[in-house]
Amino acid sequence: DAGVIQSPRHEVTEMGQEVTLRCKPISGHNSLFWYRQTMMRGLELLIYFNNNVPIDDSGMPEDRFSAKMPNASFSTLKIQPSEPRDSAVYFCASSSGQGARGYTFGSGTRLTVV
Amino acid sequence: AQSVTQLDSQVPVFEEAPVELRCNYSSSVSVYLFWYVQYPNQGLQLLLKYLSGSTLVKGINGFEAEFNKSQTSFHLRKPSVHISDTAEYFCAVRPNAGNNRKLIWGLGTSLAVNP
Repeated sequence: DAGVIQSPRHEVTEMGQEVTLRCKPISGHNSLFWYRQTMMRGLELLIYFNNNVPIDDSGMPEDRFSAKMPNASFSTLKIQPSEPRDSAVYFCASSSGQGARGYTFGSGTRLTVV
Repeated sequence: AQSVTQLDSQVPVFEEAPVELRCNYSSSVSVYLFWYVQYPNQGLQLLLKYLSGSTLVKGINGFEAEFNKSQTSFHLRKPSVHISDTAEYFCAVRPNAGNNRKLIWGLGTSLAVNP
C-alpha cells in the first residue's frame, strides 16, 4: 500500500490566490481527516469525513476554507483567498472502522503564503 | 470532553540513556490511548496504542508505554535511546465507544538525543 498520498509537498503562493491541497486516503479506509500544524498552535483538526460525508468541520478557521470528498479515494482542501497566516503544514490522515487502529498520516503539504 | 497534557515540552537526553515521556489525560469516559512520533519534515507515525487488556503496551523501535487508569497516565519509555529517536512525540486519546472518531492531542514533546 502506498499509504496516504498528499500533493503537492510544497506550495508557495501569493496572498489572495486560491490554493488547493489534495489527498488520496488508503484504500478501504472510511474516515479522512485534515489537520493543520504550526509552531504556535500545534496540531489542529480542521475537518473530518466519514464515508465521504463531513462529520465535524468545527475546526475550519473561517469561510475561506472549504473541503470536499467527492468519493472514497479523493479529498481536497481549498483556501480562497489565501493569507500569510495560513502558512502551515497541512496533513491528511485516514483510518478504518472505528479508528481503533489509529490514523495513517500523509507526508503533508508545506504551504507558504507570501 | 477529553484533554491531554504532555508534561514536558522538551526532553534532552544522551545516547544510550533511558527516557520517559510523560502523558496525562482527563476523560469522563473510557478511552483508547495512542503515541505518535513525527520525525523532521515528515508526517506522524503510530508508535503504539492501548485499546484494552494488558496495561503494558509494546510498540515499534523499542518503545513501550504503560496505561495507569488510577493516575490517568500513559507514559512512554525506552530503556536505551539512539540518535535516530530524535523527533517530536505526541500523545492522543479518543473515547472507546460511540461514533466520534476525533483524536484529542497533546502539544507534543520534543526529544533530543545527544551523542
